[in-house]
Amino acid sequence: DAKTTQPNSMESNEEEPVHLPCNHSTISGTDYIHWYRQLPSQGPEYVIHGLTSNVNNRMASLAIAEDRKSSTLILHRATLRDAAVYYCILSRGNFNKFYFGSGTKLNVKP
Amino acid sequence: DAGITQSPRHKVTETGTPVTLRCHQTENHRYMYWYRQDPGHGLRLIHYSYGVKDTDKGEVSDGYSVSRSKTEDFLLTLESATSSQTSVYFCAIRGGGQGPYEQYFGPGTRLTVT
Repeated sequence: DAKTTQPNSMESNEEEPVHLPCNHSTISGTDYIHWYRQLPSQGPEYVIHGLTSNVNNRMASLAIAEDRKSSTLILHRATLRDAAVYYCILSRGNFNKFYFGSGTKLNVKP
Repeated sequence: DAGITQSPRHKVTETGTPVTLRCHQTENHRYMYWYRQDPGHGLRLIHYSYGVKDTDKGEVSDGYSVSRSKTEDFLLTLESATSSQTSVYFCAIRGGGQGPYEQYFGPGTRLTVT
């Protein structure tokens, strides 16, 4: 199974950038890297995904190491609404099966 | 928001009884997934479907069965519930073809087996 490792928790100040790390040393060549976040009592929601190159969207940026064994989710300016559990996920195969890590709980201080 | 609902939202049942959870979508998406989430953990895939009557096992499928007789509904059945199946169950849907397309998750069903 494709495994990811993330810190249990991180803290950030509002309006500052946040870098959430993820290790995935057993990643295979065709695994995609996804990030989802989960607010309390809700299902996860999509943040961003990538394969090899760095990716940007309106929510965040994804930086992928050259050897693909790690990645970093970057929130450019954290807001209180960004407080959530962030999951780094590998997907494998044509059916896009997800392998979740245990997630990082992000606390944003005003 | 993607049109995905789960029912029931909460259920308490006794050990040994059968339980069926329903996932309903209005998006006409081909792919549907069932996950479970235990306290302090990420989600784990139970079963998934890639079309009507086409299903396969995920990483924690023991004790669970699924059925998909029409595109919009994906049912998860616990034939004989056990306390270890107390969990929050999430359904997800995905459009597109084969590849890393976004999964949309439902609101979850909290199941307690006493």
